[in-house]
Amino acid sequence: DIQMTQSPSSLSTSVGDRVTITCRASQIIDKYVIWYQLRPGKAPRLLIYEASTLQTGVPSRFSGSGSGTDFTLTISSPQPEDFVTYYCQQYYSYPYTFGQGTRLEIK
Amino acid sequence: EVRLVESGGGLVPPGGSLRLSCTASGFTFKNHWMHWVRLSPGEGLVWVARINEDGTRTNYGDSVKGRFTISRDNTKNTLFLQMSSLRGDDTSLYFCVRDAERVRAFDYWGQGTLVTVSS
Repeated sequence: DIQMTQSPSSLSTSVGDRVTITCRASQIIDKYVIWYQLRPGKAPRLLIYEASTLQTGVPSRFSGSGSGTDFTLTISSPQPEDFVTYYCQQYYSYPYTFGQGTRLEIK
Repeated sequence: EVRLVESGGGLVPPGGSLRLSCTASGFTFKNHWMHWVRLSPGEGLVWVARINEDGTRTNYGDSVKGRFTISRDNTKNTLFLQMSSLRGDDTSLYFCVRDAERVRAFDYWGQGTLVTVSS
């Protein structure tokens, strides 16, 4: 199985301060990384697919990059509603494994 | 509007069984692969199982293989997860998830149903 190593596990920062979350795959997975946002009591939300394509309706302050094994999710100016949890996932091969998650907290 | 609504979760003793359901609306259910994914504080998100459009192909994560069965009824736009021989580490929030039709992503998720395995 492909392992996805996500870091950091938690991050404390201020509203408006740029945030970067990384995910490293245990083998080359081309561009097939997805980023999700998890909010308590709500359905998880698809943010970015194929490493860098923004899902319709997602604010442009979210962006993704990377290919091969190393990927990043960037939030250029986090707003209060963005301080929740984020997960990466590989969709290169079954089983579709997830990273360990990153909890974003307001400093 | 795409909607996925899970039901059937609850408290069950170790070794017990439970059947989860997911009612889909707002899209052509029979055109999509569907998945179950679970979330727990200790493990985070874990992919559980998937089923193809007509229900003829299924796959399972190693931790549930042989104990869980995914199925679907396309006449009722409903996805199922039959869980048996439940263990404490199956305690999780279980999500019903739609596989996107044209890109490699899970594009819609339900809000989840909580399964607690405890005596």
